Amino acid sequence: ETGVTQSPTHLIKTRGQQVTLRCSSQSGHNTVSWYQQALGQGPQFIFQYYREEENGRGNFPPRFSGLQFPNYSSELNVNALELDDSALYLCASSVGVGQPQHFGDGTRLSIL
Amino acid sequence: QKEVEQNSGPLSVPEGAIASLNCTYSDRGSQSFFWYRQYSGKSPELIMSIYSNGDKEDGRFTAQLNKASQYVSLLIRDSQPSDSATYLCAPFNTGNQFYFGTGTSLTVIP
Repeated sequence: ETGVTQSPTHLIKTRGQQVTLRCSSQSGHNTVSWYQQALGQGPQFIFQYYREEENGRGNFPPRFSGLQFPNYSSELNVNALELDDSALYLCASSVGVGQPQHFGDGTRLSIL
Repeated sequence: QKEVEQNSGPLSVPEGAIASLNCTYSDRGSQSFFWYRQYSGKSPELIMSIYSNGDKEDGRFTAQLNKASQYVSLLIRDSQPSDSATYLCAPFNTGNQFYFGTGTSLTVIP
């Protein structure tokens, strides 16, 4: 059984640029959530997708957007990157909304 | 008031002792509660889930839930050095969101 996979592992961007992060959910999982984790903090919920629809969103501006595809893989897009966007971005999948989540290894995003 | 608050760390216990990790949450409608372990530089790993008031045991881990007090805890018995990590409490609230606490750093001293 393949777990949650994220790509890329690391990424360096400059302020104002746009970035797309990708996540393949674990087999049999139809729900994907994205989190931002700053150093020394717990993961902060960005949004959740269930069967290709966004069904929950945290306190993040609209420049954070996402998609979920028919195979339940997902993308996180961030526009107009700011220095504070530097963080570890985690994707987690589950068999349904509110069910135990399993995390990928994350994408480390650095903004210069 | 923060959505989720965990007891401040770092917490140090000797090998073989019981480690007690606490968490309070603000959303009274939360129904599902999860504990994750996160090693330094790694992603969170699910340890326990609990849905009903009372205790739930899994090996050396026991999760305790009291919805009336909006309190959930994790006990680790016979603590091992490999248990040294940050432990994250994550209730699932009525807004379809998992709220993670800041985490409690645990060090088990050999």
